[in-house]
Amino acid sequence: EVQLVQSGAEVKKPGESLKISCEGSGYRISSFWIGWVRQMPGKGLEWMGIIYPGDSDTRYSPSFQGQVTISADKSISTAYLQWSSLKASDTAMYYCARGTTLDGFDIWGQGTMVTVSS
Amino acid sequence: EVVMTQSPASLSVSPGERATLSCRASQSASTTLAWYQQKPGQPPRLLIYGASTRATGIPARFSGSGSETEFTLTISSLQSEDFAVYYCQQYNNWPWTFGQGTKVEIK
Repeated sequence: EVQLVQSGAEVKKPGESLKISCEGSGYRISSFWIGWVRQMPGKGLEWMGIIYPGDSDTRYSPSFQGQVTISADKSISTAYLQWSSLKASDTAMYYCARGTTLDGFDIWGQGTMVTVSS
Repeated sequence: EVVMTQSPASLSVSPGERATLSCRASQSASTTLAWYQQKPGQPPRLLIYGASTRATGIPARFSGSGSETEFTLTISSLQSEDFAVYYCQQYNNWPWTFGQGTKVEIK
């Protein structure tokens, strides 16, 4: 079964750093894009960025460029989303999803809730 | 970036009725357009890709059409499990972008 399994919920303070993960299984991770999508409470989906683990080609939305870092370790079939200094406004659900230029995002992770509060 | 605009923002429909959702792109997306369904507490689910191809396991009552800048998702006869929020997304240009969503509610 093809699936993406994300790391668990996080509660952090403003200014702290964080790295969340997304592990793929049931397929060859190096052959597909993995993207990250933010959903703030009660709001819509926002495309943050995407990485191709095969060659680490990474694209960011201008809205998130410089705010987060996307990386991947294909040897363990895992992609990451990280922040160096969290803000309260980073409080959201974060989804990873498998992407292709054929069909967009066909497989989604279960989501990681990040809460940033003092 | 390509701005995706969905209309209406919300739609009240009775079970068994037809629902028509629209999505407009600010520049051509060719047919690289996907529709997703999201229910409360769940991740989105891919319904349609390539503007008109149903994803695996998606019922035939869901259909997509359109190209370039105008796209439509039609649900031919709404079932109780179809009440949800629907998003369109273009994946023709970086960054890939989502519409703001259309909420389909029970009338």
